Amino acid sequence: GAVVSQHPSRVICKSGTSVKIECRSLDFQATTMFWYRQFPKQSLMLMATSNEGSKATYEQGVEKDKFLINHASLTLSTLTVTSAHPEDSSFYICSARTGTSDTQYFGPGTRLTVL
Amino acid sequence: AQKVTQAQTEISVVEKEDVTLDCVYETRDTTYYLFWYKQPPSGELVFLIRRNSFDEQNEISGRYSWNFQKSTSSFNFTITASQVVDSAVYFCALITNAGKSTFGDGTTLTVKP
Repeated sequence: GAVVSQHPSRVICKSGTSVKIECRSLDFQATTMFWYRQFPKQSLMLMATSNEGSKATYEQGVEKDKFLINHASLTLSTLTVTSAHPEDSSFYICSARTGTSDTQYFGPGTRLTVL
Repeated sequence: AQKVTQAQTEISVVEKEDVTLDCVYETRDTTYYLFWYKQPPSGELVFLIRRNSFDEQNEISGRYSWNFQKSTSSFNFTITASQVVDSAVYFCALITNAGKSTFGDGTTLTVKP
């Protein structure tokens, strides 16, 4: 149980384009989903927390207009990197949590490369 | 402010050796949760264990064991009889009751045959 999927697993795009990453909880309802960013050989940095049906809460230093997060249902959250630039290249990981447990279950991650 | 420190950046052992990964945390919250996750080369984070701040009972799961010492704010992880498949980056994480998460920098464990 507690499986989280991400799509796509890998994406390469040109600078200036927008990329959407999906995060789905497959066998449970996720009232809260989290988006993290991980640079090579570094730890996970929390970007934002999203609760179903409400606006995401962004961490300090994360541009909300650049990283658009939508949590429209209890099983789906999306992260859109708008007008991507090479410095946005990173490993993006989502996690999901049920309302009754504080364990975060992580998706497999999406590796974004912006050329 | 909260902080998680994994002082060991890299550890290398030979198969069948025991190895302990250290984790020390700081938080002002009285209710919090501690986690260990494994990140193999594939990148996916695998949940290993969750402990809440009121439960200091140590836990053993197969070759894995965890030692939670609230007095020293430590939550150490021991792998007994390590195997090559244990090679990965291991993260310790602290999550408060409000949901704020902080990850350590990770410890890269290499188990050589």
